[in-house]
Amino acid sequence: KNEVEQSPQNLTAQEGEFITINCSYSVGISALHWLQQHPGGGIVSLFMLSSGKKKHGRLIATINIQEKHSSLHITASHPRDSAVYICAVDKTSGSRLTFGEGTQLTVNP
Amino acid sequence: DADVTQTPRNRITKTGKRIMLECSQTKGHDRMYWYRQDPGLGLRLIYYSFDVKDINKGEISDGYSVSRQAQAKFSLSLESAIPNQTALYFCATSGVPGQGAANQPQHFGDGTRLSIL
Repeated sequence: KNEVEQSPQNLTAQEGEFITINCSYSVGISALHWLQQHPGGGIVSLFMLSSGKKKHGRLIATINIQEKHSSLHITASHPRDSAVYICAVDKTSGSRLTFGEGTQLTVNP
Repeated sequence: DADVTQTPRNRITKTGKRIMLECSQTKGHDRMYWYRQDPGLGLRLIYYSFDVKDINKGEISDGYSVSRQAQAKFSLSLESAIPNQTALYFCATSGVPGQGAANQPQHFGDGTRLSIL
């Protein structure tokens, strides 16, 4: 079993819908990262969090350390949000990440 | 200009060839990483370097070697390429964790798509 599991693997939504992507992990962590991979392949860091909740524009990330679970929410989704969203964890503070397999999000107009 | 630059962006080569992928960064970060990405497997760490004199194997280092020529440059070599090394390769950098910031985000290059025939 992977140490980092994401669900769903694939998600299709209509423009304007509220989207949730989930990440569960089975190890102790110092931080959890959410990354976005564009269709062209480039990867961008969206959030890094170790507790609570962070918000940036229409994106919200939450983490529950006790339950070892994080969610990424997108409000008022738009076709430009179509990408692969990747969850990764820092098992130590040494910046060696362990990655989930990613969630492919497609937002249709 | 990109903060983390990978060259080449695409490469097609034959089995047995030696290949070097290069990564340079202008972020002033000490820490650099090489990952490969395969469909259905996610990103996996090949090698990482926490400074010029510190190089470490990741989870899938067999068949690869690295060189940290300077703080800004970290190269990945495939000494004798084989088809199952066909993948998308990413270089990334991060700053050193410090007081009040136990973790740092990683900054990725645009990737190198490598095909080995």
